[in-house]
Amino acid sequence: AQSVSQHNHHVILSEAASLELGCNYSYGGTVNLFWYVQYPGQHLQLLLKYFSGDPLVKGIKGFEAEFIKSKFSFNLRKPSVQWSDTAEYFCAVHGGSQGNLIFGKGTKLSVKP
Amino acid sequence: GAGVSQSPRYKVAKRGQDVALRCDPISGHVSLFWYQQALGQGPEFLTYFQNEAQLDKSGLPSDRFFAERPEGSVSTLKIQRTQQEDSAVYLCASSRGTGRRQETQYFGPGTRLLVL
Repeated sequence: AQSVSQHNHHVILSEAASLELGCNYSYGGTVNLFWYVQYPGQHLQLLLKYFSGDPLVKGIKGFEAEFIKSKFSFNLRKPSVQWSDTAEYFCAVHGGSQGNLIFGKGTKLSVKP
Repeated sequence: GAGVSQSPRYKVAKRGQDVALRCDPISGHVSLFWYQQALGQGPEFLTYFQNEAQLDKSGLPSDRFFAERPEGSVSTLKIQRTQQEDSAVYLCASSRGTGRRQETQYFGPGTRLLVL
């Protein structure tokens, strides 16, 4: 069965620090990969996605993620975080013949001003 | 444009009560998904519709859970004889096509259900 692991449960950073959130998935076939963000009191929003092509994908608000097939990873990065990036971040995979997404447990990011 | 909407946003139910949760997908979206998100967890798949057809209900935790989308647009998730373990946020998502490869799912705000 497919699964997604997000190793960091809660990350606390100061503004301007660099961010990397880990995401690993288990599925041997072709996958579509997503990062969603949930700001406090808001619904899940798409941050970025990888379907095919360039493994380095850029999303909104300066976020990017790199798909490394050999490592089954899709880590999220941002060079300099802002207080407004405080949110919960979910990695998700869509693979095989099923239509649903498989989510990780999420990483809560707290950015101190 | 209008996104996915869900109602009610909050629901408190007494154990044993039946509840109905509504989802209005983005207009014209073919696929509709229901997910359950427990506290501190990521969303977990419940069921999937393509138009009015329920193609996958493998994630429904028990036969107390029932979902329908009779006209291929609005969907209702019904939980009968609610139990405390049903307390969670119920998320609805829709996507433009058949929900298979290379599609983005758009999520609603969720319904937070608390069973006392």
